[in-house]
Amino acid sequence: NAGVTQTPKFRVLKTGQSMTLLCAQDMNHEYMYWYRQDPGMGLRLIHYSVGEGTTAKGEVPDGYNVSRLKKQNFLLGLESAAPSQTSVYFCASSHQRNQPQHFGDGTRLSIL
Amino acid sequence: GQQLNQSPQSMFIQEGEDVSMNCTSSSIFNTWLWYKQDPGEGPVLLIALYKAGELTSNGRLTAQFGITRKDSFLNISASIPSDVGIYFCARCESNFGNEKLTFGTGTRLTIIP
Repeated sequence: NAGVTQTPKFRVLKTGQSMTLLCAQDMNHEYMYWYRQDPGMGLRLIHYSVGEGTTAKGEVPDGYNVSRLKKQNFLLGLESAAPSQTSVYFCASSHQRNQPQHFGDGTRLSIL
Repeated sequence: GQQLNQSPQSMFIQEGEDVSMNCTSSSIFNTWLWYKQDPGEGPVLLIALYKAGELTSNGRLTAQFGITRKDSFLNISASIPSDVGIYFCARCESNFGNEKLTFGTGTRLTIIP
């Protein structure tokens, strides 16, 4: 059972480079989310999607863009990476509103 | 934004001890979730609470949704080595049909040999 799969698992970027993180879920979930996790802090919502073709801003959206062209995939893009975006990024999905979210194993991103 | 205060931030216990942690919010809401995160992995849902006063168990774990709808606690009985990890509370906020999850800052559990 794959659940939520994130690729890549690790990446090192230079400041100014662009990058796309991929999230794929095989549970036919409507809702998908991107979070970042920094030391000493809980997960913070970057962007989310309530269905194919829709996206919305979360708590910390600046510097990121997302796309949900297919129901099973949710892409997170960094157009011009900055050191402040060094973090661990988690994708999650849920079937309906008020349903618990299922998380991927994370992507560790370092920006030099 | 709304804050979730989770305590304690860290715990050092011996195997076999019971554990208790809690989470409080400045506002009321309708859903409490407790997640556990192991190193290098994503959070995994432990318990979901949907009603004020609800008490739910999952094996050695017990969680309760406070009557005031502003707090919740998680208890772990007879801790074992695999309980090590970070425990997060989360509240589920629905706004115009869009679900958003807000996490606490976590409680790091360490078991001393």
